[in-house]
Amino acid sequence: NAGVTQTPKFRVLKTGQSMTLLCAQDMNHEYMYWYRQDPGMGLRLIHYSVGEGTTAKGEVPDGYNVSRLKKQNFLLGLESAAPSQTSVYFCASSYSGKSETQYFGPGTRLLVL
Amino acid sequence: AQSVTQLGSHVSVSEGALVLLRCNYSSSVPPYLFWYVQYPNQGLQLLLKYTTGATLVKGINGFEAEFKKSETSFHLTKPSAHMSDAAEYFCAVYNFNKFYFGSGTKLNVKP
Repeated sequence: NAGVTQTPKFRVLKTGQSMTLLCAQDMNHEYMYWYRQDPGMGLRLIHYSVGEGTTAKGEVPDGYNVSRLKKQNFLLGLESAAPSQTSVYFCASSYSGKSETQYFGPGTRLLVL
Repeated sequence: AQSVTQLGSHVSVSEGALVLLRCNYSSSVPPYLFWYVQYPNQGLQLLLKYTTGATLVKGINGFEAEFKKSETSFHLTKPSAHMSDAAEYFCAVYNFNKFYFGSGTKLNVKP
């Protein structure tokens, strides 16, 4: 099993450009999450999904959109990138919510110039 | 609103010494509590979790944590630090489909 994979690993964007980050999991998990990690701030939840076809906002959703068309994939989109979106993005999945362990991907480093 | 506070962004211990990483939380309902570890350039890995039952929870690599409801705390301990424990540690609370993470504590282990 590959677990949780993220593509790309690293990306540089110019302000105003768009891009999509892909997260894939092969564990048949229902729940998937997108976080951003910034120094001194821990992980902050951007969006999450509790099943195929569903999405919901987290703590910091502005400037991002997501889609969960297939159970195994969770896409994070930036329509018009801003320097404030420079961060490390982590995807995670879990079988359900509550007490279930989250499994994290290796992260995507995004630099917006 | 949920919040998780980790006291000390950096903690330094000598190899073989006790490790104590502090976590306090606020929650309006009984929480589910987690500790994760992050090694450089990697994602987070679960160390241990508390859901219900015994308040002293044992995890991987010799770590344990105790849920103290009266103190709203979930501190992480390890009796004897090893060089390989050097990493960043995150406390997290689960509530209403969301996880809330603390800001992290970087553990440095000196030879």
